[in-house]
Amino acid sequence: GAVVSQHPSWVICKSGTSVKIECRSLDFQATTMFWYRQFPKQSLMLMATSNEGSKATYEQGVEKDKFLINHASLTLSTLTVTSAHPEDSSFYICSARNELGRASLSSYNEQFFGPGTRLTVL
Amino acid sequence: KQEVTQIPAALSVPEGENLVLNCSFTDSAIYNLQWFRQDPGKGLTSLLLIQSSQREQTSGRLNASLDKSSGRSTLYIAASQPGDSATYLCAVMKTSYDKVIFGPGTSLSVIP
Repeated sequence: GAVVSQHPSWVICKSGTSVKIECRSLDFQATTMFWYRQFPKQSLMLMATSNEGSKATYEQGVEKDKFLINHASLTLSTLTVTSAHPEDSSFYICSARNELGRASLSSYNEQFFGPGTRLTVL
Repeated sequence: KQEVTQIPAALSVPEGENLVLNCSFTDSAIYNLQWFRQDPGKGLTSLLLIQSSQREQTSGRLNASLDKSSGRSTLYIAASQPGDSATYLCAVMKTSYDKVIFGPGTSLSVIP
């Protein structure tokens, strides 16, 4: 089946620094990837939709200048948390929609989720 | 605006019991509905995906049903085991190109 990877799986950083998280679709191409955030004991909330070759679409209340998204290829999207603060500490999960590639036809257009990245800002 | 709710928020059962988790959504115009499992501090594991044209899906001890018209889905777990302890999330998509909207989850604890 289709696999989505994230790197790093966890990261600890100092307040004020920037952190980049990568989301890769393995074995399939995705023009659209989604970034979600999950605070402790809460559900996943969509932050932004990442579109290959164009600007990301951000959900209401998400600062686009703080959470920079780059979708430079059909298999890679990155989320950069700029000037991170302790309140940005969260679990970040990406998903990619299977559009092309060697994944089975039954999974066409299905979204596959990465394993998540735990960010802790000190 | 689509909203997804799940009942109960938390559930504790003795090992061996059959149980039902409930999910409701406000807009019945969905593309599919998916049930996920999430272990503490971990990512999502897809359990079952039901397309809008389907009524149910089964995998092992799990059975998920979908009633689009009433905006409801249930996840049935048979003969529960301690290893089933996790948070179960229900999620819907409006179209094949849309985002996934998650419910708040049900935290399940199966007592040995």
